[in-house]
Amino acid sequence: EPEVTQTPSHQVTQMGQEVILRCVPISNHLYFYWYRQILGQKVEFLVSFYNNEISEKSEIFDDQFSVERPDGSNFTLKIRSTKLEDSAMYFCASVRDYGYTFGSGTRLTVV
Amino acid sequence: QQQVKQSPQSLIVQKGGISIINCAYENTAFDYFPWYQQFPGKGPALLIAIRPDVSEKKEGRFTISFNKSAKQFSLHIMDSQPGDSATYFCAASKAAGNKLTFGGGTRVLVKP
Repeated sequence: EPEVTQTPSHQVTQMGQEVILRCVPISNHLYFYWYRQILGQKVEFLVSFYNNEISEKSEIFDDQFSVERPDGSNFTLKIRSTKLEDSAMYFCASVRDYGYTFGSGTRLTVV
Repeated sequence: QQQVKQSPQSLIVQKGGISIINCAYENTAFDYFPWYQQFPGKGPALLIAIRPDVSEKKEGRFTISFNKSAKQFSLHIMDSQPGDSATYFCAASKAAGNKLTFGGGTRVLVKP
């Protein structure tokens, strides 16, 4: 069964540093999403991406965040200057028709 | 309002018992209600989903009950097994494939 692959599985970074989280969505999927889950809390929508541009973003997705699909396959989430409160699991998902497929996530720890 | 409220936060059930998780939503524009199962270290995986034009949907041991007038829906896990021990999230969206609004999650532990 096709999978969404996320790397790295765990990243530790210093506060103020830039991080890039990477995702390889399923090849024939058209919509891509990033969600995050702060430890012990619910999964929250960050941003959706379609046709190489952002289609919707949440209040969480401020100017420190950006997404790209640089080579037509990989899908990245960049946080320019990390804050302690950015520590969370970040999930990428790709969607075709009705089906969401989530990756296993990247655990980001900001110290 | 975009919230989806889920209860209980945690649940312990004996093997063979029934697990029941409830969710309530506010936004009447929601038209698709999936349930996700999440194991530690993994992303959420779709378990079962329902649209408001039906009141119940069953897939194996998993059943969703939907009450449109009350804006509530629930997941029933029949004959619960230790392998069902996981965190379960309800969610809602305006259409399948659109952004999901998740409930807070229920950690289910099935004791052998």
